[in-house]
Amino acid sequence: DAKTTQPPSMDCAEGRAANLPCNHSTISGNEYVYWYRQIHSQGPQYIIHGLKNNETNEMASLIITEDRKSSTLILPHATLRDTAVYYCIVTETSYDKVIFGPGTSLSVIP
Amino acid sequence: GAGVSQSPSNKVTEKGKDVELRCDPISGHTALYWYRQSLGQGLEFLIYFQGNSAPDKSGLPSDRFSAERTGGSVSTLTIQRTQQEDSAVYLCASSPVLVSAKNIQYFGAGTRLSVL
Repeated sequence: DAKTTQPPSMDCAEGRAANLPCNHSTISGNEYVYWYRQIHSQGPQYIIHGLKNNETNEMASLIITEDRKSSTLILPHATLRDTAVYYCIVTETSYDKVIFGPGTSLSVIP
Repeated sequence: GAGVSQSPSNKVTEKGKDVELRCDPISGHTALYWYRQSLGQGLEFLIYFQGNSAPDKSGLPSDRFSAERTGGSVSTLTIQRTQQEDSAVYLCASSPVLVSAKNIQYFGAGTRLSVL
């Protein structure tokens, strides 16, 4: 079973920030939070990952709560091309079996 | 190649036939993963390789499924005596290093398998 829970779907207006939540209340100290997204008919694409500090790259920002039991992926200015299923995954760096949950289907609306 | 390559991109087969799916990982990537994605569903982990060895095969759905990797590069996923429930997209991913803070997986476009 996946170690994370995410809302099944969300909408976001084009140009606005998309905030995608993820709960991982059983996360252990050496587990990282990874985010991937899957655009229709494509393979998943890595977005960002973090351990306990907030992270930012050219695609998104990752905010992890102090207790590390939840996190939020932020797409600062959503575009129509950001419409995809977003997966939040918790895994150790040496963990072999990577479990993807059902993810959040994000629809960016014009 | 620039990315993970999977072939064929589409495969239609008859129930009971064997199929072989191929994955060419990014050059130098030591870890390789196979997943299955049924229509409208999330990704189901099947197996991973570290080099040529597969430490955990428990994700394979049945003994009709097998996978191998040779030379630490190309991997093949074989499904024997295919059934209609095997119809899905089979995704392959590779990662540069398994034990690392950057265990980022790079995915191929997948093979869409249809069993008639």
